[in-house]
Amino acid sequence: GNSVTQMEGPVTLSEEAFLTINCTYTATGYPSLFWYVQYPGEGLQLLLKATKADDKGSNKGFEATYRKETTSFHLEKGSVQVSDSAVYFCALSEGNDMRFGAGTRLTVKP
Amino acid sequence: SQTIHQWPATLVQPVGSPLSLECTVEGTSNPNLYWYRQAAGRGLQLLFYSVGIGQISSEVPQNLSASRPQDRQFILSSKKLLLSDSGFYLCAWSVLRGRYNEQFFGPGTRLTVL
Repeated sequence: GNSVTQMEGPVTLSEEAFLTINCTYTATGYPSLFWYVQYPGEGLQLLLKATKADDKGSNKGFEATYRKETTSFHLEKGSVQVSDSAVYFCALSEGNDMRFGAGTRLTVKP
Repeated sequence: SQTIHQWPATLVQPVGSPLSLECTVEGTSNPNLYWYRQAAGRGLQLLFYSVGIGQISSEVPQNLSASRPQDRQFILSSKKLLLSDSGFYLCAWSVLRGRYNEQFFGPGTRLTVL
């Protein structure tokens, strides 16, 4: 079956540091891949997505590239801000099947 | 545009009491609807999903139930709450875009069972 594995947190960085949150997936077909962000006390918001291999999703300075050869969709940001502190979820969708990773908590300190 | 509402936003209930959480979606028709639970510091656990009125699929056995009385209304219920039912409950809707579903989440309900 389909599944998503993402790096365990928590991750603590200083402001302006480089961020990578690893995400790998297992799928039987050709899924679409997503990163969602959850700010404290709120629901999940779609951050970015990629629907086919080699696509790059980007939003708010965050990027992730759909790598079919390594079954990965790592989230990166060149310079994090305190306001990026949140929980990040990697997810895949194939037809009606949607799977989420366990989430990675990011804390950015000034 | 589409919006999703959940209420109440927070709820404190005693063990053994009933529960009813409501979710409604506006601006779309025939959506897939989902209930997730997020325990403190944990990931998302899919509880129920529905592809149409009266059609409910349960992912895990538990003392919770779900109903979809109208196309854009999804209700999560319990007859008797347990301490372990405490958590953050998220409703989501999705639309099939070609080969994939894109999910949109509500603001959540924080439930504390004492």
